[in-house]
Amino acid sequence: SQKIEQNSEALNIQEGKTATLTCNYTNYSPAYLQWYRQDPGRGPVFLLLIRENEKEKRKERLKVTFDTTLKQSLFHITASQPADSATYLCALVSSSSNTGKLIFGQGTTLQVKP
Amino acid sequence: DARVTQTPRHKVTEMGQEVTMRCQPILGHNTVFWYRQTMMQGLELLAYFRNRAPLDDSGMPKDRFSAEMPDATLATLKIQPSEPRDSAVYFCASGHDRANEQFFGPGTRLTVL
Repeated sequence: SQKIEQNSEALNIQEGKTATLTCNYTNYSPAYLQWYRQDPGRGPVFLLLIRENEKEKRKERLKVTFDTTLKQSLFHITASQPADSATYLCALVSSSSNTGKLIFGQGTTLQVKP
Repeated sequence: DARVTQTPRHKVTEMGQEVTMRCQPILGHNTVFWYRQTMMQGLELLAYFRNRAPLDDSGMPKDRFSAEMPDATLATLKIQPSEPRDSAVYFCASGHDRANEQFFGPGTRLTVL
């Protein structure tokens, strides 16, 4: 069956460290993968998109990698801050989709402690 | 500062009642999405419109849910009759099919008693 899996356990790290979140997928061939941030009581906010032919994307303190062999995307936040505490969602569009439908993972909650 | 708006923000209703949720997409966006988010299932796509035409509503229970776009500035999601299992946060998002990111509204928190 098709699955997108993110670590359901919250990730707790110390301020200043690098946070690494994992997104694994099964039985999908993603055309591209996106990462969103969601704060409590709010809608998700788009952060980064990485395409199937890209290995890495960066935006300020954020970095996303995409390994189609491992079927995995990693999301890194360097020099993490308490304001980075939120739930992070990965989502993909399958290359076989003719509608561009986005499929979301369950999200991983990040807690950055001062 | 363009953003997606949703009304109402909160809705408490009794089982069997009709519920209508409204969404105003960002001006100029031609794709609109309705999602439902619960702790158990996460974020699920219910309906997807492009240029006001329904493109994918495979995730929507057809017997009680309906989604429409009467015009480019309004999308509606209706549940009739509502059931307690429909309790969730419903998000509307909009985007443009030339770009892939989606812009989400603040959501409607629905509680069906």
